Amino acid sequence: NAGVMQNPRHLVRRRGQEARLRCSPVKGHSHVYWYRQLPEEGLKFMVYLQKENIIDESGMPKERFSAEFPKEGPSILRIQQVVRGDSAAYFCASRLSTDTQYFGPGTRLTVL
Amino acid sequence: DQQVKQNSPSLSVQEGRISILNCDYTNSMFDYFLWYKKYPAEGPTFLISISSIKDKNEDGRFTVFLNKSAKHLSLHIVPSQPGDSAVYFCAASPLGFGNEKLTFGTGTRLTIIP
Repeated sequence: NAGVMQNPRHLVRRRGQEARLRCSPVKGHSHVYWYRQLPEEGLKFMVYLQKENIIDESGMPKERFSAEFPKEGPSILRIQQVVRGDSAAYFCASRLSTDTQYFGPGTRLTVL
Repeated sequence: DQQVKQNSPSLSVQEGRISILNCDYTNSMFDYFLWYKKYPAEGPTFLISISSIKDKNEDGRFTVFLNKSAKHLSLHIVPSQPGDSAVYFCAASPLGFGNEKLTFGTGTRLTIIP
């Protein structure tokens, strides 16, 4: 009975590199959310996806950030040309229908 | 701009007593509120929620109170148990979004003293 899986748990990148964060939702869940937690702040909504569709990306920075949830495989949050300000914990959550959101353990991104 | 605020970063309570965690919000468009609990190295886990049409919701040892006019909610845990030691996050979502598009507070670390 696996919950939401995220990998890697820790990711270190140098400025200008790309970061790819993966999220495998609970089996059968078709709704995926990404949140970001900056230091000393609460989690903030970034994007909401269903299989192959972006439903709401109002919380995503306009540049360098993208997300996908393909028909097969995990959801991916991609950050291009990372900067120090991208250092944060990124959490993925999934849900089934109108159920509550189940969160993964997060990926801590550090940009050097 | 922190729209959901938890002004107490930490709280210590004796086992068996009541724990009261507080949360304030500034966005009047929020109408659904949740509390999550988080252990180290794990993701937040849903505890209890309340819609703005109610002022109280109870689930076992956990009760959430909502004061819309004051834009304030609180979580009461009674009696407090050692396993309740964790970080507690208050979260809110806007009108029409149910439990989606959550905005979280910064959390309160609760320590239950045996």
